[in-house]
Amino acid sequence: EAGVTQSPTHLIKTRGQQATLRCSPISGHTSVYWYQQALGLGLQFLLWYDEGEERNRGNFPPRFSGRQFPNYSSELNVNALELEDSALYLCASTLILALAQFFGPGTRLTVL
Amino acid sequence: RKEVEQDPGPFNVPEGATVAFNCTYSNSASQSFFWYRQDCRKEPKLLMSVYSSGNEDGRFTAQLNRASQYISLLIRDSKLSDSATYLCVVNPSGGGADGLTFGKGTHLIIQP
Repeated sequence: EAGVTQSPTHLIKTRGQQATLRCSPISGHTSVYWYQQALGLGLQFLLWYDEGEERNRGNFPPRFSGRQFPNYSSELNVNALELEDSALYLCASTLILALAQFFGPGTRLTVL
Repeated sequence: RKEVEQDPGPFNVPEGATVAFNCTYSNSASQSFFWYRQDCRKEPKLLMSVYSSGNEDGRFTAQLNRASQYISLLIRDSKLSDSATYLCVVNPSGGGADGLTFGKGTHLIIQP
């Protein structure tokens, strides 16, 4: 069974640009979470999508947004990129919300 | 107060030794608990869920003390391949609304 996949692996942008990151969950999983892991910091919860809807977001500004498609894959958009947005962005999926989440390999975003 | 606190280490341990990590969490309403391992520049991978009754998976034993809000992980007969960062993870709400809360991790180095 294929795991969570993410693309691209690496992304380099300049300040002010927009970034789009993509995630495909494990087959059958309907919930997708996005996390940010900046250097030296723990994983921080960004967004939660379930059944095509944004269900909750963490303490991040509105320029972090996304969506979930009918096939449960998801996209994270970061607008007006700032240097401090440089981080590893991880997507995770789960079938049952109280249970463990399974992570993709991440997209490493570098903002110059 | 940090939501999930861990000793960052590093723990330098000879191969074959037993090593124990602890973490504390601040949200007494937390519903489920996990240990993940994260290798350098990789995604977190689920090591095991943690139950109040304690649970074991091969060389790994996890314990949860809800009264003290304390979680532990014991690794017996450590292997070189156990070298990684171990993340203590809490699901603060049973419904998954807030994502998972991660500690910053404990860095373990197994020495030959």
